[in-house]
Amino acid sequence: GAGVSQTPSNKVTEKGKYVELRCDPISGHTALYWYRQSLGQGPEFLIYFQGTGAADDSGLPNDRFFAVRPEGSVSTLKIQRTERGDSAVYLCASSLSPGGTDTQYFGPGTRLTVL
Amino acid sequence: GEDVEQSLFLSVREGDSSVINCTYTDSSSTYLYWYKQEPGAGLQLLTYIFSNMDMKQDQRLTVLLNKKDKHLSLRIADTQTGDSAIYFCAESSWFSGGYNKLIFGAGTRLAVHP
Repeated sequence: GAGVSQTPSNKVTEKGKYVELRCDPISGHTALYWYRQSLGQGPEFLIYFQGTGAADDSGLPNDRFFAVRPEGSVSTLKIQRTERGDSAVYLCASSLSPGGTDTQYFGPGTRLTVL
Repeated sequence: GEDVEQSLFLSVREGDSSVINCTYTDSSSTYLYWYKQEPGAGLQLLTYIFSNMDMKQDQRLTVLLNKKDKHLSLRIADTQTGDSAIYFCAESSWFSGGYNKLIFGAGTRLAVHP
């Protein structure tokens, strides 16, 4: 079956612009996570959704970052007034439900470049 | 806070065993994971170990956990060129509400040469 998909695969924008990054989780997965991976680093947690609600947004770096999941499936990560430091690969992961090993399946990521 | 550390680079000869090491700080970690990342690809879960286990073997992969020293290792037997990738160690903290927040190390780049 289909895995986690993310669009676009690459996004180049100018400093100060607004961007949206989309994540399509595996069908039936209720848990959805966003991570950010800077160059040469491991992924860092941003936000976790259980269903439609953001249960933990403690990793969002500041209020320029916001994410939604209105119908409990597709999620959009929104970044306002982008800065060069926002350049990174944004990874989405989903899991069947929180519990047990909660194996998270990752998408290929969106590479965001802010010029 | 939580921290996961790994050596950054490992070079091995094809056919030899590779051992990638990781240390973590959160003694309440429930599960520890090894992920593989190939160029341009997402993270692929290789294996995981529950924190009350010492060892787990899965085909060519052996995971050893020393909970006292908070040390985790991944051994790849008969390393092949296709194993060349970045390997991430991750710990999970179990939160009320039953979800895992993964804390990753910076990754170990494994280079396999003939």
